[in-house]
Amino acid sequence: KAGVTQTPRYLIKTRGQQVTLSCSPISGHRSVSWYQQTPGQGLQFLFEYFSETQRNKGNFPGRFSGRQFSNSRSEMNVSTLELGDSALYLCASSLGHRLRSSPLHFGNGTRLTVT
Amino acid sequence: AQRVTQPEKLLSVFKGAPVELKCNYSYSGSPELFWYVQYSRQRLQLLLRHISRESIKGFTADLNKGETSFHLKKPFAQEEDSAMYYCALSPLITQGGSEKLVFGKGTKLTVNP
Repeated sequence: KAGVTQTPRYLIKTRGQQVTLSCSPISGHRSVSWYQQTPGQGLQFLFEYFSETQRNKGNFPGRFSGRQFSNSRSEMNVSTLELGDSALYLCASSLGHRLRSSPLHFGNGTRLTVT
Repeated sequence: AQRVTQPEKLLSVFKGAPVELKCNYSYSGSPELFWYVQYSRQRLQLLLRHISRESIKGFTADLNKGETSFHLKKPFAQEEDSAMYYCALSPLITQGGSEKLVFGKGTKLTVNP
């Protein structure tokens, strides 16, 4: 079974631009979560989608948004990029949205650099 | 607020020595706790979860509610255990919501030959 696939692997953008990251979950997985990883803050939860609905959201500004399609693929968008948005963005999928019974499977991440 | 603290950023042991990676949490309810591991050039993956009470690759972790700890232990470390280890907490699910993970900042374990 193919793992979680994130594209692109690397992105370089300038301040003020917007960016869209893509995530294809493991086949059959209906839940997709997004996490931001930075050296200072570590791994922080962005949001989670299940059956095309956002079920949970972390403490990030409205510039961060996402969506999930009917095939469970997900995208996240960051508008008006700031230097502090430079990070590794990780996508994770699971069968359901109960982590105790459906563990997360992570992708390799998209490394975003904002200059 | 939920918080996970891993007090050691770096931990170095010799092969065959016991290893303990510390994890303390702050949460008012009864959380679910997990250990995730990231080997060099590999993706983050689940190592074990407290609800399963399992031993994976010789590692075990016991939830101590009194001390709010979930330390990861292995009696005899192997070189292939060298990796980044993250402790994570999942708060109780909110109505209509979903579970998320609150991660610690991680401990880099190096097992020397």
